[in-house]
Amino acid sequence: QKEVEQDPGPLSVPEGAIVSLNCTYSNSAFQYFMWYRQYSRKGPELLMYTYSSGNKEDGRFTAQVDKSSKYISLFIRDSQPSDSATYLCASGGFKTIFGAGTRLFVKA
Amino acid sequence: NAGVTQTPKFQVLKTGQSMTLQCAQDMNHNSMYWYRQDPGMGLRLIYYSASEGTTDKGEVPNGYNVSRLNKREFSLRLESAAPSQTSVYFCASIEQGRGEIYGYTFGSGTRLTVV
Repeated sequence: QKEVEQDPGPLSVPEGAIVSLNCTYSNSAFQYFMWYRQYSRKGPELLMYTYSSGNKEDGRFTAQVDKSSKYISLFIRDSQPSDSATYLCASGGFKTIFGAGTRLFVKA
Repeated sequence: NAGVTQTPKFQVLKTGQSMTLQCAQDMNHNSMYWYRQDPGMGLRLIYYSASEGTTDKGEVPNGYNVSRLNKREFSLRLESAAPSQTSVYFCASIEQGRGEIYGYTFGSGTRLTVV
């Protein structure tokens, strides 16, 4: 079992939809949780991070961590075609463990 | 522009050939990493260097060697390439102690095909 599990998708939604991306993790010692966005043929870039449990909001993006169920979520409101990318959940800091990534397509 | 620079961007090797992937960062980061990315597998850590002069194995080190040449540069060497090493390779760096907040800075990747 991988330490961070993520459904690879692909996920296709119409423009304006609310998108929910999810991951589970197995190591209860993890404290930091991140979401990276990766456009085609580019390197990943940090989108959001969360420390311990709770929510964090940044514009149209909300990251949520539930440590009791070891569940990590990213919500995208009013999705745009420019949000089409692969989203990787991750945990750790100095040595980060990444999920496999979920490919998202937002159709205009 | 500040960031992580990887060379080459594309490479085709024959089985058994050797090559070195180069990586340089200009952000004065202490820690540098090499990951490989394969479909369905995500990013897997090959080797990392916590600071200049140190290197350690990651999850999938077999078939690779690394050199932390100085604070800026971290190279990855394939001594005898195998088809299983066909992948996209990413170099990354991080500001030690603040990585959880700022995350890794990744290069744009090297697409390697071994035939």
